[in-house]
Amino acid sequence: GAVVSQHPSWVICKSGTSVKIECRSLDFQATTMFWYRQFPKQSLMLMATSNEGSKATYEQGVEKDKFLINHASLTLSTLTVTSAHPEDSSFYICSARDLGWDSGNTIYFGEGSWLTVV
Amino acid sequence: DAKTTQPTSMDCAEGRAANLPCNHSTISGNEYVYWYRQIHSQGPQYIIHGLKNNETNEMASLIITEDRKSSTLILPHATLRDTAVYYCILTLGAGNMLTFGGGTRLMVKP
Repeated sequence: GAVVSQHPSWVICKSGTSVKIECRSLDFQATTMFWYRQFPKQSLMLMATSNEGSKATYEQGVEKDKFLINHASLTLSTLTVTSAHPEDSSFYICSARDLGWDSGNTIYFGEGSWLTVV
Repeated sequence: DAKTTQPTSMDCAEGRAANLPCNHSTISGNEYVYWYRQIHSQGPQYIIHGLKNNETNEMASLIITEDRKSSTLILPHATLRDTAVYYCILTLGAGNMLTFGGGTRLMVKP
């Protein structure tokens, strides 16, 4: 299947600082990417839909000024957690929709990024 | 998206077929059934999807009932590496956003 890569795989940051997570589609172009957050022993929760060249659409309860999403190219979306606090510590996962003619519009996920705020 | 119901957990003996059920009694005509799995501390992995017909690929088979109100994911020869949480998800049209429920935690035992 198609490959979606996230970087970094894990990051530790100090409270009050900002951290950026990158999501890349390696072998296909993705006009739409999705960002999820997962707390321990819970399911994935959709945070926002990222559309190339336009503003992201955030789910209810997700602060757009805290979780900045940029989708400047067809292969890269970034999530910046601003002024991070310990409660933002979580597993962040991105996914991208493969619109290739033989892909069935399948959505593929990255490996995830562990964020720990201390 | 319509809701799905899956058992919380299942066990399967290594080498045997794992049959994971999913109920989606309120599915609408244009909703696809997608299956993903998540191995601990990794991103979800796409397995298979279908609309009406049964589907098979190198990983699994998907059996959808004629009324489309339920489906079964079949792993023909489960291995220890198949231990994961399996998610059955409905989505309007192929490639729309995925809403995850609780999934089924499959434990493959030696």
